[in-house]
Amino acid sequence: GQNIDQPTEMTATEGAIVQINCTYQTSGFNGLFWYQQHAGEAPTFLSYNVLDGLEEKGRFSSFLSRSKGYSYLLLKELQMKDSASYLCAPFRGSTLGRLYFGRGTQLTVWP
Amino acid sequence: DSGVTQTPKHLITATGQRVTLRCSPRSGDLSVYWYQQSLDQGLQFLIQYYNGEERAKGNILERFSAQQFPDLHSELNLSSLELGDSALYFCASSPLDRGAADTQYFGPGTRLTVL
Repeated sequence: GQNIDQPTEMTATEGAIVQINCTYQTSGFNGLFWYQQHAGEAPTFLSYNVLDGLEEKGRFSSFLSRSKGYSYLLLKELQMKDSASYLCAPFRGSTLGRLYFGRGTQLTVWP
Repeated sequence: DSGVTQTPKHLITATGQRVTLRCSPRSGDLSVYWYQQSLDQGLQFLIQYYNGEERAKGNILERFSAQQFPDLHSELNLSSLELGDSALYFCASSPLDRGAADTQYFGPGTRLTVL
């Protein structure tokens, strides 16, 4: 299996910062995707990390540590519209384009 | 709007029936992927096509089949439907099929309800 592990649920308040962690199996690892999915809607691409370190993109940043099999998504200045499921998907070249998604972390942002 | 279109948006049918879901990829994308998302299973990869040829298979049942046509649109056929097939079915597309990471863009999905 892919052994992708994310917390099932998280809550935070508007304006706060939240960090969503993801751990995965490191064998054959090439990079890691993060997607956002609102209930009943399509997943939308947030970020792709292939190198170690933090990549910032507006209010969202994503971090990767390849040796530790660890990534996190950092969401700053939370807004109500950020309430969604966040899916972590490690990519392995051996599986061609196929992505294996974690179960997702359901984030609820309270006013 | 990702540029990927799927029809129909909703489908309600009975057990034992057969349905066809349709997907049109983003302009220029050669790869099409199908995923199933049910409440208890998360987002599961079913199958990938690249430029008309099957490239990878995931947890796709034998009752399910897919194809990609010369104009690159794809269809997912589900037959002998069971209650457990009720789910959201997503299609995604990406430009290439090179074994390297290629961002996938998802369509809005088809919600299938089997009664």
